[in-house]
Amino acid sequence: KAGVTQTPRYLIKTRGQQVTLSCSPISGHRSVSWYQQTPGQGLQFLFEYFSETQRNKGNFPGRFSGRQFSNSRSEMNVSTLELGDSALYLCASSLALGDRDTILDEQFFGPGTRLTVL
Amino acid sequence: EDKVVQSPLSLVVHEGDTVTLNCSYEVTNFRSLLWYKQEKKAPTFLFMLTSSGIEKKSGRLSSILDKKELFSILNITATQTGDSAVYLCAVEAGNDMRFGAGTRLTVKP
Repeated sequence: KAGVTQTPRYLIKTRGQQVTLSCSPISGHRSVSWYQQTPGQGLQFLFEYFSETQRNKGNFPGRFSGRQFSNSRSEMNVSTLELGDSALYLCASSLALGDRDTILDEQFFGPGTRLTVL
Repeated sequence: EDKVVQSPLSLVVHEGDTVTLNCSYEVTNFRSLLWYKQEKKAPTFLFMLTSSGIEKKSGRLSSILDKKELFSILNITATQTGDSAVYLCAVEAGNDMRFGAGTRLTVKP
């Protein structure tokens, strides 16, 4: 069973540009969550998508957006990049079988996309 | 403001020791508390806790939540060098999720 895949694995952009990151969850998983990890701020939650709808959202500016497709694949977009957006962006998927409006079941993380903004 | 505090920040033990990692929180609209293990790559999910007093176990690892005192502990018994990692605690609160800074555990042979 293939794990969570993220593309690209590495990316270099310049300030002001925009970027789109992709996450393919494990087959059958319906929930995809995105996280940002930096040495200074640690791991921070960006948002979670379930059945093509954003269910939960962390405290990030509107420059950070995402979407989920009918096959559960998800994309994250960051517009007008800033130097501080340099980070490892992780996505995680889970089955999310429960009725609770939350991340449920075991999460599986992808390897991450390392974004460097120059 | 919601916050999650882990202690200690770092810990060095020897193989065979038992360790207890702590996670305390102050959040609005608590939903669940999660533990992760992160080595040099992406985190690995360990436990999700929603109810007080119910211990979750996985091999040598166990965790319990106290919703009255607002904390959780992660126990690792008979530690091995492969347990060396950063252990992260996260709390789902409202629509958000907050992570602690992590506890860096080093297990020496």
